Amino acid sequence: AQSVTQPDIHITVSEGASLELRCNYSYGATPYLFWYVQSPGQGLQLLLKYFSGDTLVQGIKGFEAEFKRSQSSFNLRKPSVHWSDAAEYFCAVGARGLTGGGNKLTFGTGTQLKVEL
Amino acid sequence: ETGVTQTPRHLVMGMTNKKSLKCEQHLGHNAMYWYKQSAKKPLELMFVYSLEERVENNSVPSRFSPECPNSSHLFLHLHTLQPEDSALYLCASSQDWAGETQYFGPGTRLLVL
Repeated sequence: AQSVTQPDIHITVSEGASLELRCNYSYGATPYLFWYVQSPGQGLQLLLKYFSGDTLVQGIKGFEAEFKRSQSSFNLRKPSVHWSDAAEYFCAVGARGLTGGGNKLTFGTGTQLKVEL
Repeated sequence: ETGVTQTPRHLVMGMTNKKSLKCEQHLGHNAMYWYKQSAKKPLELMFVYSLEERVENNSVPSRFSPECPNSSHLFLHLHTLQPEDSALYLCASSQDWAGETQYFGPGTRLLVL
């Protein structure tokens, strides 16, 4: 079964500083990988996804993530954080087209990002 | 309207009430999902519908009853809930069930008294 670990529950950064949110996954094959963001009281918005190809993927709002198979990681990065980036971030892994099993997304427990002005 | 919409956005109900949550997707997708998001816990997949057929029931208590009348609409009927069922209920959809990106609605914040 797949699993996702987000080791940082809370992260605080200063506005303008760089950001890296960690995500490690466990899955027996090459997974689908996602980062979602959730603002208070809102649903999840897709930031970016990795299915195949270039291991560095670009997303919305200036975010990027790098798939590193050797480390089973898919860390999210942003070079300069804005105050509006304060939210909760979720990493998720999906199983690739399992016969009869579909795509079950497994989510991490999330990282709460606080941005200091 | 675009994307995935959910109504109501907030709901307070007693343990003896019956209520329903509604989800509608305007993306032409064939798969729809219900998730439960509780504080301090990962999102929990509850149900999956693919082409209006339930394909996943993740050991959800029978007091939650899903309904998918067509590929654009998904309901979650609630009855005799418990206070521990208070949570954010999220609906999502994807093009199909075979490994596609899921798009989420804003959720319904449910409080059971």
